[in-house]
Amino acid sequence: QVQLQQSGPGLVKPSQTLSLTCAISGDSVSSSSAVWTWIRQSPSRGLEWLGRTYYRSNKWYYDYAVAVKSRITIKPDTSENQFSLQLNSVTPEDSAVYYCARATVADIDYWGQGTLVTVSS
Amino acid sequence: EIVLTQSPGTLSLSPGERATLSCRASQSVSSSSLAWYQQKPGQAPRLLIYGASSRATGIPDRFSGSGSGTDFTLTISRLEPEDFAVYYCQQYGAPLYTFGQGTKLEIK
Repeated sequence: QVQLQQSGPGLVKPSQTLSLTCAISGDSVSSSSAVWTWIRQSPSRGLEWLGRTYYRSNKWYYDYAVAVKSRITIKPDTSENQFSLQLNSVTPEDSAVYYCARATVADIDYWGQGTLVTVSS
Repeated sequence: EIVLTQSPGTLSLSPGERATLSCRASQSVSSSSLAWYQQKPGQAPRLLIYGASSRATGIPDRFSGSGSGTDFTLTISRLEPEDFAVYYCQQYGAPLYTFGQGTKLEIK
């Protein structure tokens, strides 16, 4: 059974960096079939995919949503079997519940518990 | 980017009744790339249907999905009390995943 455990602060100041980590159990961040993704949910934007990373043929791949592409980094950590999200220069509009998740290409079968992040001074 | 529009926004039904939820895409979607999720308050979404019509592991057979092209449907044949929640459709178009705005299924 795959489990994803999120950690990170729930309050971030405007213009600072939002950082979250997702620890994986029951699978490997280096899996040749899984895709590791971050999604956020807010009342104004609904469910919004932010980006993904995956490992294929000895190479790491990264894809990011256009809306956040200039501010986002997703990094795998093979030593800890986890992956992280960094979102720079946050504003109150980045306030949302953030989820890490595992995708099997077209659908998302396992989700983390969610982290409510508020951007406020 | 493909936009998914779900209808109705809210559906009020009683336990035992049949629920029909719609998801319409702004462009044709591959059936293999259409999924449905259930979300209850304070919880993450849960995968119900993938590939437009395949039930995910552990999902009861009262849930079924159908459709192709731009029109997809999630049907719950006989509502149980635990089925009242918000339902989302989602499509995959490399590299991104987009979601509908959701249908809230509430107890009448």
